[in-house]
This record gives sequence, C-alpha cells and structure tokens, in this order.
Amino acid sequence: GAVVSQHPSRVICKSGTSVKIECRSLDFQATTMFWYRQFPKQSLMLMATSNEGSKATYEQGVEKDKFLINHASLTLSTLTVTSAHPEDSSFYICSAITIFGGSTDTQYFGPGTRLTVL
Amino acid sequence: GESVGLHLPTLSVQEGDNSIINCAYSNSASDYFIWYKQESGKGPQFIIDIRSNMDKRQGQRVTVLLNKTVKHLSLQIAATQPGDSAVYFCAENTGRRALTFGSGTRLQVQP
Repeated sequence: GAVVSQHPSRVICKSGTSVKIECRSLDFQATTMFWYRQFPKQSLMLMATSNEGSKATYEQGVEKDKFLINHASLTLSTLTVTSAHPEDSSFYICSAITIFGGSTDTQYFGPGTRLTVL
Repeated sequence: GESVGLHLPTLSVQEGDNSIINCAYSNSASDYFIWYKQESGKGPQFIIDIRSNMDKRQGQRVTVLLNKTVKHLSLQIAATQPGDSAVYFCAENTGRRALTFGSGTRLQVQP
C-alpha cells in the first residue's frame, strides 16, 4: 500500500509554455503533499507544502506565481510551472503523508517527473 | 541555516564488504531521521528510520546509528551487493513534517 504516482514521468516543453505535473495517492488519502525539486547531482529541496483545501505554503525563494500548486482533493495535488524557462529544468518529486492511520512522519514519495525546458 | 550534510560524496566498496555512510545534522530539535536510497531517475526509496529516543535500529542488512551528542547519523549496509549501488540520502524531520535532506552519498559497489 501507500503508493504515490506522478504524471507525466517525463516532459519536454518550449520556453514560455506552462507544464502541469500531477501527484496522486493511489490507495490512501493524502492530507498533506510536498513538492521537492532536485537538480542533477544535488539533493532534494523542498519547494512547497500543500494541504488539502487550503493554499500551499512556499519555501523562501520559491515564486508562488510561477509554481502554482493546487490540492483540491485528498488524492491529487498538481504543480503547474508557468512560463517555463530552461533554468526550471529539473526533477520534480512529490511526497504525501496522511493523518488517517499510521504515522504522520511517514512520507511516501512519487517516482518523480523529469522536466526539460528547451 | 540549519542543514543536514554528509562527510563523503562517493563511497566505493567491494561486493560483499560492509558499507558505512555518514551524515551530520545541525538541528538539535530534529526528532526523526530517515535514510533513503535513490536510483537514477527515480524517487527516493525508504530504507530505515530512527527516532531521537533511540541510538540504534536494525533492519534487513541495514543498521542506522544515531549519536545525538555529536549530531551524527550513519547507515551501515552489511554484505553490500551490486543492487545497493545508488545515491543515499539522510533526512531529518524537524517537526514541520516536511523533510530536510542531506547532500547525498553515491555508493558504488565493485564486483
């Protein structure tokens, strides 16, 4: 159990376009989802925390108008990279936790989405 | 700022040997620590965790040691196998629920 999926797994887009990445909890209700970004040969850096039904909380230095996060249901959070530029090319990973049973410390990670902006 | 870091960026071991990956953390308020394995192009995979009220925890072929006095965490992998080759990250939970990740160590297992 506790599977998190992401779609798409890879996306290539032109500079200036917007890209939407979906994060789904397949077999549990995710009360909180996190979005991380990972550049090549670097660690995961938290971008934002998303709670179902409320606005996301962004980390310092992450532009909320550029990285739009929507967590409209307990199984889906979306990250939209607006007006993407080559420097936004990265590996985007989501994770989820649930308050419904189990430990709220346990984060379940998705497989990641590789974004390449040309 | 608070951070989690690693001593060695790359560790090369012979198949069958034991591996030890180290991690230093600086936030004394952290109460939960996790080790993740990440293979190329994939998301982090949970290996083992430990709470701050413990100093050792064992899993299958893996052991995590926590030294709160010097704020040090280590992951020991017994009888390292080629399938263990990956990047390993330590992460800490400072109570915010979101995790702070260390910089990672690449483990290379030589056949």
